[in-house]
Amino acid sequence: GAVVSQHPSRVICKSGTSVKIECRSLDFQATTMFWYRQFPKKSLMLMATSNEGSKATYEQGVEKDKFLINHASLTLSTLTVTSAHPEDSSFYICSAGGGTQYFGPGTRLLVL
Amino acid sequence: AQSVAQPEDQVNVAEGNPLTVKCTYSVSGNPYLFWYVQYPNRGLQFLLKYITGDNLVKGSYGFEAEFNKSQTSFHLKKPSALVSDSALYFCAVSTLGGYQKVTFGTGTKLQVIP
Repeated sequence: GAVVSQHPSRVICKSGTSVKIECRSLDFQATTMFWYRQFPKKSLMLMATSNEGSKATYEQGVEKDKFLINHASLTLSTLTVTSAHPEDSSFYICSAGGGTQYFGPGTRLLVL
Repeated sequence: AQSVAQPEDQVNVAEGNPLTVKCTYSVSGNPYLFWYVQYPNRGLQFLLKYITGDNLVKGSYGFEAEFNKSQTSFHLKKPSALVSDSALYFCAVSTLGGYQKVTFGTGTKLQVIP
């Protein structure tokens, strides 16, 4: 199947700082990518749909000014958690694809 | 609105025995159904999908799933479980393959006992 990468795999930051997470489709072009958040032992919560060349579509309850998404090319989408707080600590996963969504390995964010 | 239910938080099965992980769905229109597996601290790996055609879908690692329209179910099965199958399994539904957002179930932890 298609390969999706994420970077970094793990990040620890201080409260109040911003963190950028990259999601790349390695062997295909993706006009649409999805960002999810997963809490321990919980399902994936869709945060937003990232659209290449246009604004992201956020799910209800997700703060667009806090979770900035940029999809500047057909192979790269970035999620920036701005002014991170401990409650933002989570596992963030991106996906991309057409008929089947392929997932990145995830990014573990810990905000101290 | 579309939804997926995985009624079991955990399924325990002895190695070598058949396994079933249950999934039911609700969607308007024709469903696209998926199964994914997640190992600890990892992303999701695609196992199989149903779009149309044969109700029995075969996927990776010997897994298969049966689409039952009347029961709105898409249970995951494997004839003989391996210890290495122990992981978290997610069922998911969409109405346009992966082109529109995919709704996931809450996940079922599969524990294969040696």
